[in-house]
Amino acid sequence: ELKVEQNPLFLSMQEGKNYTIYCNYSTTSDRLYWYRQDPGKSLESLFVLLSNGAVKQEGRLMASLDTKARLSTLHITAAVHDLSATYFCAVDTNRGSTLGRLYFGRGTQLTVWP
Amino acid sequence: ETGVTQSPTHLIKTRGQQVTLRCSSQSGHNTVSWYQQALGQGPQFIFQYYREEENGRGNFPPRFSGLQFPNYSSELNVNALELDDSALYLCASSWAGWTDTQYFGPGTRLTVL
Repeated sequence: ELKVEQNPLFLSMQEGKNYTIYCNYSTTSDRLYWYRQDPGKSLESLFVLLSNGAVKQEGRLMASLDTKARLSTLHITAAVHDLSATYFCAVDTNRGSTLGRLYFGRGTQLTVWP
Repeated sequence: ETGVTQSPTHLIKTRGQQVTLRCSSQSGHNTVSWYQQALGQGPQFIFQYYREEENGRGNFPPRFSGLQFPNYSSELNVNALELDDSALYLCASSWAGWTDTQYFGPGTRLTVL
């Protein structure tokens, strides 16, 4: 069964600092997703990465994908308090036209402090 | 606003009881997936329905069952509840397509006592 590992699981960082969250997965994946979850809330889609070398950016977050290394990164630039949340990566191994199952990592709980 | 809704928001049951959770997919979405998220964990895939047929299942026992209706609403039924079934249950809807994303509902928090 596909395994998805995120690290770190907990991240406490000061506002204005940069940091990277790593997501490794154990087998070939068609698509990789990053989601954000606020306490007690559902999952909000941040990025979908479809191919090797894909890079997407939204505000202070940038995600990249290296399918050969089976690694995705979520880079945080100049963190602000509003980024405090839990971030999940998830991979989808389906090779057909219908969406398959998502395998999630355990999540990275990010806390940004002044 | 994803347009995916779930009911109820919270639910408390006792061991051995049965529960039905409901999900209303975003308009036009023909695929719904259900996930179980235990506290401090990532969501685990339960099953997926595509055009009212089960389209894949995770490692969950048969007492977890589902239905998808023509209007793309769906249900998750759990029989013979166990304490370990306590979790946040999320449904996610999507339009079956290569680049589409699964959009998650707000979830139902189930507590089994």
